[in-house]
Amino acid sequence: ETGVTQSPTHLIKTRGQQVTLRCSSQSGHNTVSWYQQALGQGPQFIFQYYREEENGRGNFPPRFSGLQFPNYSSELNVNALELDDSALYLCASSPSRTGDGETQYFGPGTRLLVL
Amino acid sequence: AQSVTQLGSHVSVSEGALVLLRCNYSSSVPPYLFWYVQYPNQGLQLLLKYTSAATLVKGINGFEAEFKKSETSFHLTKPSAHMSDAAEYFCAVIGNNAGNMLTFGGGTRLMVKP
Repeated sequence: ETGVTQSPTHLIKTRGQQVTLRCSSQSGHNTVSWYQQALGQGPQFIFQYYREEENGRGNFPPRFSGLQFPNYSSELNVNALELDDSALYLCASSPSRTGDGETQYFGPGTRLLVL
Repeated sequence: AQSVTQLGSHVSVSEGALVLLRCNYSSSVPPYLFWYVQYPNQGLQLLLKYTSAATLVKGINGFEAEFKKSETSFHLTKPSAHMSDAAEYFCAVIGNNAGNMLTFGGGTRLMVKP
């Protein structure tokens, strides 16, 4: 069984650019969540997708957007990059929506550096 | 709103000693609670989770945690630390009226001395 995979592993961008991060969910999982983990901090919830629809959003501005595809893979897009967007971006998948305590399984993350 | 507080950003123990990592949560409804471990340059791995079935939860690698409602705590313990336990540990909560977001604590870095 393949776990959650993310690409790329590392990325360097400059302020004002746009970036797309990708995530493939674990087999059989229809829910994907994205988190931002700044250096030395715990992950912060960005949003969740369930069967291609947004299913909850954290306190992030609209320049953070996402998509989920029919195969349940997902993208995180960030426009107008700011220096504070430098972080590890984690994708997590789960068998269903997580409101009932479903476990979220995390990928290895994409480390984004904004210069 | 839900929140998680992990007391002690760094904990150092000797190999073979008891590991105790503290987690307190706030939630307006009965929560689901999780402990995750993060090794350097890796994602998060689930250690254990509480979903109201039993207050003492056993996880992987010899870790366990006890849910204490009266103390709003979910501390993580391991009787005997191993060098391979050195990592960052995160406590997290989902309150079932808070949508689907995992709310994480700030993390505790566990160091194990030989």
